[in-house]
Amino acid sequence: DAKTTQPPSMDCAEGRAANLPCNHSTISGNEYVYWYRQIHSQGPQYIIHGLKNNETNEMASLIITEDRKSSTLILPHATLRDTAVYYCIVRAAGNKLTFGGGTRVLVKP
Amino acid sequence: DVKVTQSSRYLVKRTGEKVFLECVQDMDHENMFWYRQDPGLGLRLIYFSYDVKMKEKGDIPEGYSVSREKKERFSLILESASTNQTSMYLCASSQQGRGGYYTEAFFGQGTRLTVV
Repeated sequence: DAKTTQPPSMDCAEGRAANLPCNHSTISGNEYVYWYRQIHSQGPQYIIHGLKNNETNEMASLIITEDRKSSTLILPHATLRDTAVYYCIVRAAGNKLTFGGGTRVLVKP
Repeated sequence: DVKVTQSSRYLVKRTGEKVFLECVQDMDHENMFWYRQDPGLGLRLIYFSYDVKMKEKGDIPEGYSVSREKKERFSLILESASTNQTSMYLCASSQQGRGGYYTEAFFGQGTRLTVV
């Protein structure tokens, strides 16, 4: 599976959009981009995934560049409860889900 | 709602004990996973299973074994617990998607194991 690179941490203001970047320059054509988050003392929670089209659900939006070498997770109106570690994962067939270091997001009032 | 239930939230065991961590999912998922999470090291995959009685090693299987006798249950076994196995253990399950792409994984709340 392709490696991902995320900033180790970022702050954002409550009520504002949070844009979380992820680089996956070695992604191959059959690999999906997944996002999970982990709130303190809980198990990780699935957020969204995509292949090449932008995706949106009730939690977030996922924007994947045309060359698929990077993506951005957008939390449209960040709340204090969105404070968590966010993981970007690229995965092909094979049933293994491997987590990197993630981005520690702190939403400030 | 999908539920992944881990048998204990907190566990304290002695060095050398045989430890069983149990995980049950209620959504008939084919895939189940065991991870451990340590500060600064993130989540690391220990073992996973894609079917009953099937298992595959993850990235750090040493010192662990697993058992999957029934589809809904996946057990992690520490044959002889050591202090370096003190960690948060997380179980997850997912459905097998088309073409091998599994759907999203659902995680349990974790078991914080302390080996003394």
